[in-house]
Parts: sequence; structure tokens; C-alpha cells
Amino acid sequence: SAVISQKPSRDICQRGTSLTIQCQVDSQVTMMFWYRQQPGQSLTLIATANQGSEATYESGFVIDKFPISRPNLTFSTLTVSNMSPEDSSIYLCSAQTPPSDTIYFGEGSWLTVV
Amino acid sequence: GENVEQHPSTLSVQEGDSAVIKCTYSDSASNYFPWYKQELGKRPQLIIDIRSNVGEKKDQRIAVTLNKTAKHFSLHITETQPEDSAVYFCAPATNTGFQKLVFGTGTRLLVSP
Repeated sequence: SAVISQKPSRDICQRGTSLTIQCQVDSQVTMMFWYRQQPGQSLTLIATANQGSEATYESGFVIDKFPISRPNLTFSTLTVSNMSPEDSSIYLCSAQTPPSDTIYFGEGSWLTVV
Repeated sequence: GENVEQHPSTLSVQEGDSAVIKCTYSDSASNYFPWYKQELGKRPQLIIDIRSNVGEKKDQRIAVTLNKTAKHFSLHITETQPEDSAVYFCAPATNTGFQKLVFGTGTRLLVSP
């Protein structure tokens, strides 16, 4: 299995500001993903983070709002830009691990926008 | 896109009883069927998964059954324990080089001692 670390684990942010969440995996993975989970709700895929190329965004999510980087096989960042209270959520990083292709999750980053 | 529904949304059982959660999906191309358990404030954790070439898989008290024709799969937990209390998500995916999980609506399981 893979160990996925995220930081920050929790933050309170002012509206209009941006915050970058970091995700580090302890082994090389085939793909990384970013999800959002509103408290008490299910997980929604934001984007697939491709190594060395632009992320692939799901419907309803755009690069200007959620820029993603993945400079190597074990690290990715998600930025939540120009935050509003509606962005208050848990943001989870996940990674698909070879050879089983099992997908593991980080512990999440809980953002509150005030 | 994939439409995934889970039933029931909440399930309360007595310790020792069995629990069954059903997941219905819409994309006939789905070929990977995992179940995740999420305890309050924790990350989702994979508890069991099955691929489309298998109809059933069991791991101790947990089993998953798949009906590809009807496009549903179910999680079965036997001899439930209070520590089984959590939210359970199904997340079917199509493996096209990578697996893009589409999470179901979730089922809150409460096991009472």
C-alpha cells in the first residue's frame, strides 16, 4: 500500500485569498487525483493530475479556480484560488498504485473560508 | 457520465446481525467495483474490491457480489461489530489505463451493541 501525506491538514482562510495543498506519496504511482468532499456528503472528483502535463478537469471544475501541478511521480499540489465560503470543504488527494491499481487516499485537508 | 446510487442511505443493526448495502451504476463499461469505509474525520479506506471477471469475493466478514447484467453490486458484512459503524461508499470505475472512481451517495451504518 501507499502512504499519502497531505498538508495542511486544516486551515482557516480569508475570502479572496488562495491556498495550496500539497500531496506527497511514499512510492511512485501511476496516477494522482484530487477530490472534494463537503461535510456529510460524498466525494466528487475535481481533476486527474497528470505527471508532466496539464491536469484533466471534471465538469464543473476549471483550471483557473483549481490549478494543479504534478512535477514528478510522487508529488502534486492543488491550489484553491480566490476562495469564497462555498469553497469550504475537505480536499482529498488520492493515488493509483501499481501493480494492483488500488487507489489510496490522503487524510484530507479541511478548509474553512471566512 | 456515470450515475451511482446506494441504498439504503442509513442502516441501523444490532451487533452480530448482517448488513447489506446495494450500489447501482449506469455505465456498462465499468469494470472495477470497490467499496470504501470512511470513519468520522478519517480518510476513505478500501475494504474490498472486485473486478468484472469475478462474481463474488470474500474477505473474512466482508464480501462483495457483482451482477454486471443488472449493473449493481453489493457489500455484505456478517457478524457486525460496533467498530463497523461508519459511512460506506461504492465507487465503480472504468479502467482505461487509470481508474477514475465515481463515488456513490454513501450509506451510514450504525451498529449498536
